[in-house]
Amino acid sequence: AQSVTQLGSHVSVSEGALVLLRCNYSSSVPPYLFWYVQYPNQGLQLLLKYTSAATLVKGINGFEAEFKKSETSFHLTKPSAHMSDAAEYFCAVSDRKTGTYKYIFGTGTRLKVLA
Amino acid sequence: EAEVAQSPRYKITEKSQAVAFWCDPISGHATLYWYRQILGQGPELLVQFQDESVVDDSQLPKDRFSAERLKGVDSTLKIQPAELGDSAMYLCASSLRGDADTQYFGPGTRLTVL
Repeated sequence: AQSVTQLGSHVSVSEGALVLLRCNYSSSVPPYLFWYVQYPNQGLQLLLKYTSAATLVKGINGFEAEFKKSETSFHLTKPSAHMSDAAEYFCAVSDRKTGTYKYIFGTGTRLKVLA
Repeated sequence: EAEVAQSPRYKITEKSQAVAFWCDPISGHATLYWYRQILGQGPELLVQFQDESVVDDSQLPKDRFSAERLKGVDSTLKIQPAELGDSAMYLCASSLRGDADTQYFGPGTRLTVL
């Protein structure tokens, strides 16, 4: 079964510091991978997605992620954190094996940005 | 920019009552999803529609939950009777066709069962 593991339920960084949010996946077929951001009491907004094109994917708000097949990872990074980045971030894999393409989400990482 | 609409945004009900949530996907999107997100967890798919047909409802508690998308456009998710454990955020998402298409999420309905 496909699954996603997000290491660290809470991450704190100082404003201006590097943001690194970790995501590892398990998939028996080439995965489609996604990062979403969720602000309190709101829906999910797509940051970026990987669909087997370039392994380094650039998204909105300065975020990017690199697909590493050998490590089964898709970590999210941003060079310099901004206060507005404080939110919850979810990694998801698309279930291509069953053909439904439903998303299987990780448990999320709450990012706190310190002034 | 087109958005997924959901209503109500917040719902408070007592256990054993019936509740219903509505979702209007982005125009032209054939695939519609209902997810449940328990506080502190990631969303979990309840039901997926392709046009008006159910594609996946394996995680839908069918003894109390029902979902329909009669004309292949908007959709309603119902819970009857509601239980305390149903308190969660209910998210609707839509995509053009499924497969690699991005899923666009609505703002969600926060359900509190007392």
